[in-house]
Formats: sequence, C-alpha cells, structure tokens
Amino acid sequence: GAVVSQHPSWVICKSGTSVKIECRSLDFQATTMFWYRQFPKQSLMLMATSNEGSKATYEQGVEKDKFLINHASLTLSTLTVTSAHPEDSSFYICRRDNQSSYNSPLHFGNGTRLTVT
Amino acid sequence: QKEVEQNSGPLSVPEGAIASLNCTYSDRGSQSFFWYRQYSGKSPELIMSIYSNGDKEDGRFTAQLNKASQYVSLLIRDSQPSDSATYLCAVDGGSQGNLIFGKGTKLSVKP
Repeated sequence: GAVVSQHPSWVICKSGTSVKIECRSLDFQATTMFWYRQFPKQSLMLMATSNEGSKATYEQGVEKDKFLINHASLTLSTLTVTSAHPEDSSFYICRRDNQSSYNSPLHFGNGTRLTVT
Repeated sequence: QKEVEQNSGPLSVPEGAIASLNCTYSDRGSQSFFWYRQYSGKSPELIMSIYSNGDKEDGRFTAQLNKASQYVSLLIRDSQPSDSATYLCAVDGGSQGNLIFGKGTKLSVKP
C-alpha cells in the first residue's frame, strides 16, 4: 500500500485564491520531504525541500513567498500555493526521503493536479 | 549544474520485443541510479535501482550501469502494452535524498 499519502489528488481553483496540498508519511517518520512540479510533457522539477522543524530550502527561481511549505511534524508536510494564477496550473508531487537508508527506494505521493481558472 | 539526459522518444517497439532505454549523467561522483515508470497523469513509481557497475536483473527488467562512461540503461524484455509509459532516469544529487531527474523517455509497446 501507499506509504506517502497526498491530498487532494486534484483541485480546481479560481485565480487569486490559495490552495493547500498535504503530504503524509504513513509508515515512517519523514524528516525531509521533497516537493516537485511537473508541467505537461516535462520532467519533474524540484521546487523545495522541506525539513521538519526548520525552514524549507527553495530551488533557484522558486518564490518562497508564493509557495509556502510547512513541515511541522514528522509525518506531515504541506505546500500552499498562494494567490494562484493560471500559470501555476501543474502537477505537484511530494516525495519522502528515507532517512534510515540513503540508498533505499524513495517514495512519491500520488500527486495533485492543480488547475487555476 | 548537474544534468541527466534522456532521449525523449517516443520509442516504439512491438509486443514481445526488447525495449532499450538510455540515460547519461554529468556528475561523475554520483553513486545511486534509479529508473522510474510514470503513467500519464500519475506519479512516478520506482522500478529499478542500481549502485555498482554492471547489470542488475529483476524479472523482465535489467538495469546496466557504466560509471566510467557515465551511462545507465534499462532493458525491458518481452515488452507488453502495459509497459507503455514514460520512463524517468534519476541520479542522486549529492545532498542526502535529493535526486536529479531526466526528462523521461516515452515508450510505446504496440500489440
């Protein structure tokens, strides 16, 4: 079964509103969660790395004030897209790092399809 | 900047044939290599990992790694229509847990 639960699986929102995406680690404490964005026919682009109890690390070009990441517990990381615009429409996916073994399989959530109208 | 390169395809093979997917990477210090399969509209799922030079077989899948050539490949034997998907090559990005992904190769297996 799934070890990383991501919700919602899809969301449609109006331009200017905010959307929160949750990613839960079900079987393992996740001190680190990776957030990706994938546009159609493009590869996964790392947006940010969330760390439990500390500030997230954002990749170059990703606006930290627009994409708010909170990792308040060892099982939950959230990504909030603030003041969403149509160009934010994309597939957002979280991935958990397995701290017990650096080389072990790295699990993705099922993704969230965001459509901003 | 660390890069992972893949042919975007599409790669079309007949059912029952061998599909060969290739990937090159720029960081000679990379240690871990992964192949993910991604169906349209779904998140990637891990199908193979490889860490040392040579071949690694798992069922119909064989991953091949050549660190000297900075090359990793995935062979799918007896290809099935259900194997039709985009295959992503991923390489460890240095910092713990981070992965660098290629753009993926779209595979189409024709019945």
